[in-house]
Amino acid sequence: GEDVEQSLFLSVREGDSSVINCTYTDSSSTYLYWYKQEPGAGLQLLTYIFSNMDMKQDQRLTVLLNKKDKHLSLRIADTQTGDSAIYFCAVLSSNTGKLIFGQGTTLQVKP
Amino acid sequence: DAEITQSPRHKITETGRQVTLACHQTWNHNNMFWYRQDLGHGLRLIHYSYGVHDTNKGEVSDGYSVSRSNTEDLPLTLESAASSQTSVYFCASSDTNTGELFFGEGSRLTVL
Repeated sequence: GEDVEQSLFLSVREGDSSVINCTYTDSSSTYLYWYKQEPGAGLQLLTYIFSNMDMKQDQRLTVLLNKKDKHLSLRIADTQTGDSAIYFCAVLSSNTGKLIFGQGTTLQVKP
Repeated sequence: DAEITQSPRHKITETGRQVTLACHQTWNHNNMFWYRQDLGHGLRLIHYSYGVHDTNKGEVSDGYSVSRSNTEDLPLTLESAASSQTSVYFCASSDTNTGELFFGEGSRLTVL
């Protein structure tokens, strides 16, 4: 079945760049998303990319998509302590219409 | 502003009791979803609905049921709560065009 994989934990120093990676198996994916979850809260959409795009930039966020390798990454420039959260990769399958989530990557930002 | 709300936010219950978690959205979205979030598993889909009177099973639907009698609400019922159903439950609704999910704040359920 469809699967989305992420590493579980990433620790960086404040001011450094963070790169969170995600791999997926569904080649029919149309939209790919990054969600952020702060403690005790629901998920909020950070950004998304269409499957026909390679890159999308939005202020400090850069999303890179390698369709051939089914690899998605989220780069956060100048990471701040407020960026500490769990980041979820999610993939929308055009076959099933369902959004499949990865396990989430906990980003820890050290001062 | 349109929103999606869940209630209760926290609930403690006993094994074997019936529990219903409410979800109400004012986005007028046709698509609604229930997920559970557990450490090491991320978000797993329980049930979903693409419109009034439509309900479908997700990957972890055993022990759960939903009903969709109107566009705004998708209540999730645990017929006989089990300790394995201790989790945080998220309701979401989606925009049909982009697939973007809008999440509620979550309901933390503890089954003793």
